[in-house]
Amino acid sequence: DVKVTQSSRYLVKRTGEKVFLECVQDMDHENMFWYRQDPGLGLRLIYFSYDVKMKEKGDIPEGYSVSREKKERFSLILESASTNQTSMYLCASSNRGLAYGYTFGSGTRLTVV
Amino acid sequence: DAKTTQPNSMESNEEEPVHLPCNHSTISGTDYIHWYRQLPSQGPEYVIHGLTSNVNNRMASLAIAEDRKSSTLILHRATLRDAAVYYCILSRETSGSRLTFGEGTQLTVNP
Repeated sequence: DVKVTQSSRYLVKRTGEKVFLECVQDMDHENMFWYRQDPGLGLRLIYFSYDVKMKEKGDIPEGYSVSREKKERFSLILESASTNQTSMYLCASSNRGLAYGYTFGSGTRLTVV
Repeated sequence: DAKTTQPNSMESNEEEPVHLPCNHSTISGTDYIHWYRQLPSQGPEYVIHGLTSNVNNRMASLAIAEDRKSSTLILHRATLRDAAVYYCILSRETSGSRLTFGEGTQLTVNP
């Protein structure tokens, strides 16, 4: 069964900490994405990557960075966590092209205290 | 981004068919229509997608209007497990492979 795996289901971090959210896919997909989901705001795209070492800003990149050193792994980094980054974070991957669907991970519920 | 319009919520009874509508009047010729659903406490799940012709898979059917300005996701026999938020999304070349999710339709299935 093909998968997108997010390293943690629940995470609690302190304000100011550097936080790493890891995502691994086993489908050899070129594209990988990070979204956050908040009540009333839906899913919003933070960053995405079309290939190794490539990254593109999404709609809300402020306060985040990403790293893609290997094709299967896409990391989201919160440089200095703040309480307004408390959210559900969702990773997804897809093949290149419009005709391919996304496969999502189960999400990481991050709480910043 | 090309916008889609869906009802905020719909209700259905178990074992009955469900037709979830989506309007996308600004769709362009190369835009694909994607449907995803999200069950409570889970990530979104791909359901189906299409370009011009109607599409069927094991989960659902997608009926696309002739002018492509609207589409309908059809669940042939709703089950309680189908209760979810359903998203209709357009993917377009100018956006690359990125998908922009709207608010979707909350489907309630009554036993």
